[in-house]
Amino acid sequence: SAVISQKPSRDICQRGTSLTIQCQVDSQVTMMFWYRQQPGQSLTLIATANQGSEATYESGFVIDKFPISRPNLTFSTLTVSNMSPEDSSIYLCSVVGGKRYTEAFFGQGTRLTVV
Amino acid sequence: SQQGEEDPQALSIQEGENATMNCSYKTSINNLQWYRQNSGRGLVHLILIRSNEREKHSGRLRVTLDTSKKSSSLLITASRAADTASYFCATDGTGANNLFFGTGTRLTVIP
Repeated sequence: SAVISQKPSRDICQRGTSLTIQCQVDSQVTMMFWYRQQPGQSLTLIATANQGSEATYESGFVIDKFPISRPNLTFSTLTVSNMSPEDSSIYLCSVVGGKRYTEAFFGQGTRLTVV
Repeated sequence: SQQGEEDPQALSIQEGENATMNCSYKTSINNLQWYRQNSGRGLVHLILIRSNEREKHSGRLRVTLDTSKKSSSLLITASRAADTASYFCATDGTGANNLFFGTGTRLTVIP
């Protein structure tokens, strides 16, 4: 199993500003995933963060808006840049178990409100 | 999109009753998983069923999988108020390392 510490747990931000979300895992993992969950909706993958290379973004998400860092195998950050009210969501980081095709572990999420 | 769909979107039952949620998906899978989410927090893994399995049990949970219909169901027996949460199915998809989540079912168990 993996324990993930994600912070902040929530924040209220002014439009036009940026917020960086941190995710710390208690074990080394190759890939970390960042998801967005808009109010009342399912999870949508933003990007996959790989250590030592640029993140891989899903359709509809770009690096300028959601820059990601992955400095080592236990840590990653996601920045939500130039925020607008439409960015109000829950942001979740996740890792997959040691073997492929096993369960995923999630941080507790960051509830972001942009005003 | 590989996102699955779940029904019902919302389900309200009395404590002690059984709750059944259904999930349909679109592509071939290696496994299907069910997760629970309390009040917009992180997701917690409940159960995983592999593509060559048809039924799996874990405590009060029973999961079925029909790969010919690309569907799965989650049954929670003898529900409790503490089961109130949103439930999501998730599939791995072919060649993908991440999970694709269904639309979710919001379950309310009334004491």
